[in-house]
Amino acid sequence: GQQLNQSPQSMFIQEGEDVSMNCTSSSIFNTWLWYKQDPGEGPVLLIALYKAGELTSNGRLTAQFGITRKDSFLNISASIPSDVGIYFCAGPVTGNQFYFGTGTSLTVIP
Amino acid sequence: SQTIHQWPATLVQPVGSPLSLECTVEGTSNPNLYWYRQAAGRGLQLLFYSVGIGQISSEVPQNLSASRPQDRQFILSSKKLLLSDSGFYLCAWSEGRGGQPQHFGDGTRLSIL
Repeated sequence: GQQLNQSPQSMFIQEGEDVSMNCTSSSIFNTWLWYKQDPGEGPVLLIALYKAGELTSNGRLTAQFGITRKDSFLNISASIPSDVGIYFCAGPVTGNQFYFGTGTSLTVIP
Repeated sequence: SQTIHQWPATLVQPVGSPLSLECTVEGTSNPNLYWYRQAAGRGLQLLFYSVGIGQISSEVPQNLSASRPQDRQFILSSKKLLLSDSGFYLCAWSEGRGGQPQHFGDGTRLSIL
């Protein structure tokens, strides 16, 4: 079945550092989504990508839709303590359903 | 703007008791609605989704059921809870046309004793 592999599983970084994480799939996607989940809350959509090669920013966050359409990357620049949380990628199974990756847990050390 | 509400936020139930979690969406019509379970802060498992009133698709066989009695209302139920039903339950909605991002509620933390 379809798998979305996120790496790394967890990251511990110093405040101010840049962060990079990625997501790979076993099949081609036409949409990639990135979410952030704070402890005890629901995931919040950060960035949606709809086209191979697309590069989209949302403040300090930048995500890219890989050219092969089997991967996507999320970068966070100049991390701050409120960036702490779990970051999920997601890609469509069918028009109405999405697979979610296993998440990257980010800890920012002040 | 659209909003999604889930309640209760936290629930502690004994094994064998019934369950009813409710989710409502405002500010949109004919949304797709979803129920997920998340264990240990990772891995969103899709339980049910609905593309319209009375239309429910089940992804995982279990003792849970879902119903959509109104366009913007989605209910997750169980007649008899098991210990393994503990977890974080999330409701989500998306626009009715395919491929649209899902937007999540704040979740219900369910503990079974």
